[in-house]
Amino acid sequence: AQTVTQSQPEMSVQEAETVTLSCTYDTSESDYYLFWYKQPPSRQMILVIRQEAYKQQNATENRFSVNFQKAAKSFSLKISDSQLGDAAMYFCAYSPDKLIFGTGTRLQVFP
Amino acid sequence: KAGVTQTPRYLIKTRGQQVTLSCSPISGHRSVSWYQQTPGQGLQFLFEYFSETQRNKGNFPGRFSGRQFSNSRSEMNVSTLELGDSALYLCASSRPQGGTDTQYFGPGTRLTVL
Repeated sequence: AQTVTQSQPEMSVQEAETVTLSCTYDTSESDYYLFWYKQPPSRQMILVIRQEAYKQQNATENRFSVNFQKAAKSFSLKISDSQLGDAAMYFCAYSPDKLIFGTGTRLQVFP
Repeated sequence: KAGVTQTPRYLIKTRGQQVTLSCSPISGHRSVSWYQQTPGQGLQFLFEYFSETQRNKGNFPGRFSGRQFSNSRSEMNVSTLELGDSALYLCASSRPQGGTDTQYFGPGTRLTVL
């Protein structure tokens, strides 16, 4: 079965610091996509970053970057220079076709 | 470009009733997917429609159904509502362009079943 595991239910970080959220997945597929979505209290799901499995280069979007380890089936999200607005639930998702989500990590940002 | 819109945003129904939720995708997007989010089960895939055809289906009972119109707008219907159907229903649209494409989500419809 294809599963996504986020082992950190909650994380906290001080403003301007760096935090890394972990995600592992299980699949026998070789071609797939991985995503991080952010869900703030408004419940709107917002795309943070996307990674194609065939690309060795880690994706980067401004302060957000990933560490994609295909052999280890690991896909962590690093948030640099954390801001108060980064506080939200973060979901890792795997997609061979439909999105399969992890259980989420609640990130708190302290001033 | 306008984002994905969902109506209504909030809905209260009683057990046994049926409900229809609507989703309008981003202009130019032809694929619409539906997800259910609950505290207990998390985010679960319901179904995907592309060019008015159901292309993929999750593991939900037949009470959950959907359709897509020629303008790519989609509706999902839940018949004979149960208390456990209370959830946030999220709609997402994507182009797609061969294989998986990035899905962009609407604000969701919060359904409460009493």
